Amino acid sequence: GQQVMQIPQYQHVQEGEDFTTYCNSSTTLSNIQWYKQRPGGHPVFLIQLVKSGEVKKQKRLTFQFGEAKKNSSLHITATQTTDVGTYFCAGLFSYKLIFGTGTRLQVFP
Amino acid sequence: SQTIHQWPATLVQPVGSPLSLECTVEGTSNPNLYWYRQAAGRGLQLLFYSVGIGQISSEVPQNLSASRPQDRQFILSSKKLLLSDSGFYLCAWSVTGTSGEQYFGPGTRLTVT
Repeated sequence: GQQVMQIPQYQHVQEGEDFTTYCNSSTTLSNIQWYKQRPGGHPVFLIQLVKSGEVKKQKRLTFQFGEAKKNSSLHITATQTTDVGTYFCAGLFSYKLIFGTGTRLQVFP
Repeated sequence: SQTIHQWPATLVQPVGSPLSLECTVEGTSNPNLYWYRQAAGRGLQLLFYSVGIGQISSEVPQNLSASRPQDRQFILSSKKLLLSDSGFYLCAWSVTGTSGEQYFGPGTRLTVT
């Protein structure tokens, strides 16, 4: 079956440091979506990437979709305490989203 | 604007008791609807999805079932809860016929004792 893996599982950074999470799929994806879940909350959509090699930016966040459409990354520049949470990638297979295992980010002030 | 509701917010149930969790969506028609379960500190597991009234697809064999009696209502049920059913249950919707983003409800934290 379809699997979406993320690394690392946890990341602790000092405020101001950069952070990257990587997402890999066992099969080619129609698109990839990224979600953020704050502690105790529900996942909130961040962005969707559709095209091979696509790069999108949202302020300090940069999202990339691999050329083969099997991997993706999220990079946060100069983390802030508000970035704390778990970041999930999710690969679209037909109309089902298969969520990655998530990367939990902790930012120390 | 669209809104998704889930209730209850928290639930503590004994093993062997029945379960009914409800999810409703407002402000959209014929949405795709989803039930996910999230174990503590883990990812999201897709349990059921529905593309229309009465149409339910099950992703994981278990003692849970889902129903969609109305266009914007999605219900998750169990006749007899197991300890392993504990978790955070999330309902989500997406626009029908698209591959776009999913919007999640606030979730129900279920503890089976």
